[in-house]
Amino acid sequence: SQQGEEDPQALSIQEGENATMNCSYKTSINNLQWYRQNSGRGLVHLILIRSNEREKHSGRLRVTLDTSKKSSSLLITASRAADTASYFCATDGNQGGKLIFGQGTELSVKP
Amino acid sequence: DAMVIQNPRYQVTQFGKPVTLSCSQTLNHNVMYWYQQKSSQAPKLLFHYYDKDFNNEADTPDNFQSRRPNTSFCFLDIRSPGLGDAAMYLCATTRDRGYEQYFGPGTRLTVT
Repeated sequence: SQQGEEDPQALSIQEGENATMNCSYKTSINNLQWYRQNSGRGLVHLILIRSNEREKHSGRLRVTLDTSKKSSSLLITASRAADTASYFCATDGNQGGKLIFGQGTELSVKP
Repeated sequence: DAMVIQNPRYQVTQFGKPVTLSCSQTLNHNVMYWYQQKSSQAPKLLFHYYDKDFNNEADTPDNFQSRRPNTSFCFLDIRSPGLGDAAMYLCATTRDRGYEQYFGPGTRLTVT
């Protein structure tokens, strides 16, 4: 069963704008991860945030986690055309390290 | 560079003709995963190996099997592909449970 639900399903912005994607999940987690997937390619890991962390940064990426609301957000600041991709959240619960992926947000950044 | 390699990148097979997809990794990771991803959908876990311990997802069709002869290699065998098996197949590895996964570029399977 799908654990993560992402919102919005699609997002179109101009270069230089910020992009925010949200992920909600249903059960307790050990960590939550964000991945990027360019069209027709494999997934690339972006950030892992553990259940006892509230915020994490990596370059232009900022991830927050609210375990009380069972939700996470990914913020990409000063977006570039190269950020155009699908972004997936994935939850790692007590299931032997298995990740359950959300449906993804398709981000389009227009030059 | 250390990486996850999948071969072939594109595979065309006929309905019912067995096909094998391969994955190799130079990361020396204990855990390897196979995912199926259909167009505009999330990756769906088929099975994973924790070292030599094989774990099959409950809803993985019997048509799908896997082998891991050593730490570096893992194979996905589809015994009798149907049209519904056309998808991207992704291999991933991780050093241990609870860590990030490293994905290969995927194999796009077409069934004619």
